[in-house]
Amino acid sequence: GAGVSQTPSNKVTEKGKYVELRCDPISGHTALYWYRQSLGQGPEFLIYFQGTGAADDSGLPNDRFFAVRPEGSVSTLKIQRTERGDSAVYLCASSLGRGTPEAFFGQGTRLTVV
Amino acid sequence: KNEVEQSPQNLTAQEGEFITINCSYSVGISALHWLQQHPGGGIVSLFMLSSGKKKHGRLIATINIQEKHSSLHITASHPRDSAVYICAVHSGGGADGLTFGKGTHLIIQP
Repeated sequence: GAGVSQTPSNKVTEKGKYVELRCDPISGHTALYWYRQSLGQGPEFLIYFQGTGAADDSGLPNDRFFAVRPEGSVSTLKIQRTERGDSAVYLCASSLGRGTPEAFFGQGTRLTVV
Repeated sequence: KNEVEQSPQNLTAQEGEFITINCSYSVGISALHWLQQHPGGGIVSLFMLSSGKKKHGRLIATINIQEKHSSLHITASHPRDSAVYICAVHSGGGADGLTFGKGTHLIIQP
């Protein structure tokens, strides 16, 4: 596609439920990043993929968070047993790869846990 | 870990004013981004800088690598410039993601 696409744009879920957030990067971009932005804060790094592998997952807050990118394109961020504190905008970005830091961002998924 | 500080946090100005937003960081970087975020949450990349100065329309971005400081300027500001402007740095090294400032909430009044 022309840009980074994230779905859904909004997700409301009940506490304790499982959610999946999808990111479709720009075609040909090997690097994919997930960020989380809480209200009034700048985005914070969660995980970085280079191709199919998670090159750096140091930003994932705990083991309820997991992300995959099985074919090196679309990525899914999975959150188990959601908590109200998980409510945030989840941003995805992609770039051509290591050494090419210009990143292109999706519109984000606004997750609300009630 | 790189610390990114932006100032001011909030800025309200009148249409036509010259706007400056500042960003400082603590550790050497490979690139610095200025990003614009509108209320819906989507982020648009305005500039990526590693040295010097860039200009696009009414927007100008500068960076001083020695002082670890960058500025974003908006000339002849317009209400449609109202948004959150975020500075983000790419440190390279172990963490390949961006480190973001908290953003500057800009409101331009007509």
